[in-house]
Amino acid sequence: AQRVTQPEKLLSVFKGAPVELKCNYSYSGSPELFWYVQYSRQRLQLLLRHISRESIKGFTADLNKGETSFHLKKPFAQEEDSAMYYCALLIQGAQKLVFGQGTRLTINP
Amino acid sequence: ETGVTQTPRHLVMGMTNKKSLKCEQHLGHNAMYWYKQSAKKPLELMFVYNFKEQTENNSVPSRFSPECPNSSHLFLHLHTLQPEDSALYLCASSPGLAGVHEQFFGPGTRLTVL
Repeated sequence: AQRVTQPEKLLSVFKGAPVELKCNYSYSGSPELFWYVQYSRQRLQLLLRHISRESIKGFTADLNKGETSFHLKKPFAQEEDSAMYYCALLIQGAQKLVFGQGTRLTINP
Repeated sequence: ETGVTQTPRHLVMGMTNKKSLKCEQHLGHNAMYWYKQSAKKPLELMFVYNFKEQTENNSVPSRFSPECPNSSHLFLHLHTLQPEDSALYLCASSPGLAGVHEQFFGPGTRLTVL
């Protein structure tokens, strides 16, 4: 089955601390994964994609096929990182995204 | 207005009502999507349109009826809904299905079915 699991509904860390949002997937094909973010009173938007291996707003995510994971990391959290984060898996052929349930990240001052 | 717009932003309807949600994108995209976001479930894809043609119906009940008259507009017609259909309905667009990973979302319509 094609599935994306974000085990933490809520995550709270202090400003300046490292943050890691977990994402695990189940997919028989070659995975392409993405992180979407929704800041307060803003729309859901693409944050980063694994295939471009980029760092956006200090966040990085590495695809680990052995562990079927795509965790989102940032070494030093900032208050403006508080948001809802969704991990998404591209279903090849069908050309659609399957989203995880989301993790609400709160950065405490 | 730029981006993806949705109207109305909030809608309350009875189970016997008929209403429609509207989505419009000003990005020149060719693919448009309807998603349902409810509190207890992940974001669920409902319908996909590519160049006005429906390419995906994710086992959505027939009380939800989509319409895509052109690549810029997408409607979701609602009739005889159930209280469990109360949710946030999001519209999104992408350049095409090849760019499905980079979807641009609207603000959503918060639907309450009484």
